[in-house]
Amino acid sequence: QKEVEQNSGPLSVPEGAIASLNCTYSDRVSQSFFWYRQYSGKSPELIMSIYSNGDKEDGRFTAQLNKASQYVSLLIRDSQPSDSATYLCAAVLTDSGTYKYIFGTGTRLKVLA
Amino acid sequence: KAGVTQTPRYLIKTRGQQVTLSCSPISGHRSVSWYQQTPGQGLQFLFEYFSETQRNKGNFPGRFSGRQFSNSRSEMNVSTLELGDSALYLCASSQQANTEAFFGQGTRLTVV
Repeated sequence: QKEVEQNSGPLSVPEGAIASLNCTYSDRVSQSFFWYRQYSGKSPELIMSIYSNGDKEDGRFTAQLNKASQYVSLLIRDSQPSDSATYLCAAVLTDSGTYKYIFGTGTRLKVLA
Repeated sequence: KAGVTQTPRYLIKTRGQQVTLSCSPISGHRSVSWYQQTPGQGLQFLFEYFSETQRNKGNFPGRFSGRQFSNSRSEMNVSTLELGDSALYLCASSQQANTEAFFGQGTRLTVV
């Protein structure tokens, strides 16, 4: 099992709908999770971080962490065509006292106008 | 507050040559990580430096190396370039290796 897994998509949603992006993780990763947005040809941009069980909201974005089920999700409310991008889930892997980010392969989101 | 700066933005090199990429982190950030991104492999971790020490390394051949200076600026070097090294190279800085990381704009390397 990969440490961080995402469905590659594409996930297509109509404008104004809620987009739900999911990510599962293995036991090897720590409890620090991050969502990045990456537009084609650009570098990843941090959207949200979440460290504890439950929901965290920031504007139209809500990150949800469920430690029991080992998944983290990102909800985008009122989706806009400008939200069309690849969304990367990242977790911190703890290994012999050191840390490194592990990224999922990303989910491509298409918001249809 | 200035972001992460990577130079150069684009590079074209010939097989067998070597290349050095530079990354200046956000002021106050001591951790710098490097990643390779290709369409088929996604974001692959290369290495992480903290206070001039390499603390973690990904599964890349020894042709890939890096270093970090006392001002936290970092460089990565790729020797004996191969066609498969063509990729977007990204650096990210953070205060600690397990906290929020911010990416630079990347260096797009093309090996011909």
